[in-house]
Amino acid sequence: KAGVTQTPRYLIKTRGQQVTLSCSPISGHRSVSWYQQTPGQGLQFLFEYFSETQRNKGNFPGRFSGRQFSNSRSEMNVSTLELGDSALYLCASSLAGQGASGANVLTFGAGSRLTVL
Amino acid sequence: EDQVTQSPEALRLQEGESSSLNCSYTVSGLRGLFWYRQDPGKGPEFLFTLYSAGEEKEKERLKATLTKKESFLHITAPKPEDSATYLCAVITGGGNKLTFGTGTQLKVEL
Repeated sequence: KAGVTQTPRYLIKTRGQQVTLSCSPISGHRSVSWYQQTPGQGLQFLFEYFSETQRNKGNFPGRFSGRQFSNSRSEMNVSTLELGDSALYLCASSLAGQGASGANVLTFGAGSRLTVL
Repeated sequence: EDQVTQSPEALRLQEGESSSLNCSYTVSGLRGLFWYRQDPGKGPEFLFTLYSAGEEKEKERLKATLTKKESFLHITAPKPEDSATYLCAVITGGGNKLTFGTGTQLKVEL
């Protein structure tokens, strides 16, 4: 069974540019979440999509956006990149709909490591 | 706002030396507490979910327990391959939003 696939794995951008990251969830998983991981802040929640709708949103500026397609694949975009956006961006997928007991296990991908110069 | 605090930040053990990692939390309406393991350059790998105080789960050398204020991850007779960062996270409210602690970096030496 294929896991969560994130592309690209590594990328380097310069300040002011924009970037799009892609996530393919485990087959059958309809919930996709995005997290930012940095040495100083740890893992921080960006947003969650379920059935093509944003269900939850973290405390990040509007430069961070995402979307989910009908096949559950998801993309996140960061516009006007800043040095502080350098991080590992992790995608996680889950079977669960809201409130499904015992089904909220999130499976993470390997991440996309973004370096902003 | 949900808060998760993990201690210690780093832990060095000799092979076979048992110990415990702590995760304390302040949340409203806990739906579940998760333990993940993360190796360098990889995404977090799921270990356990605990849903209610008093619950315990075991897997090989690891055992997770939960009270109303904290969770412990007990490591019995660790091996070097147990070296990793262990992350604790809570889920509250609707959906699948996890709030993570900053992790405990464990190193097990021969």
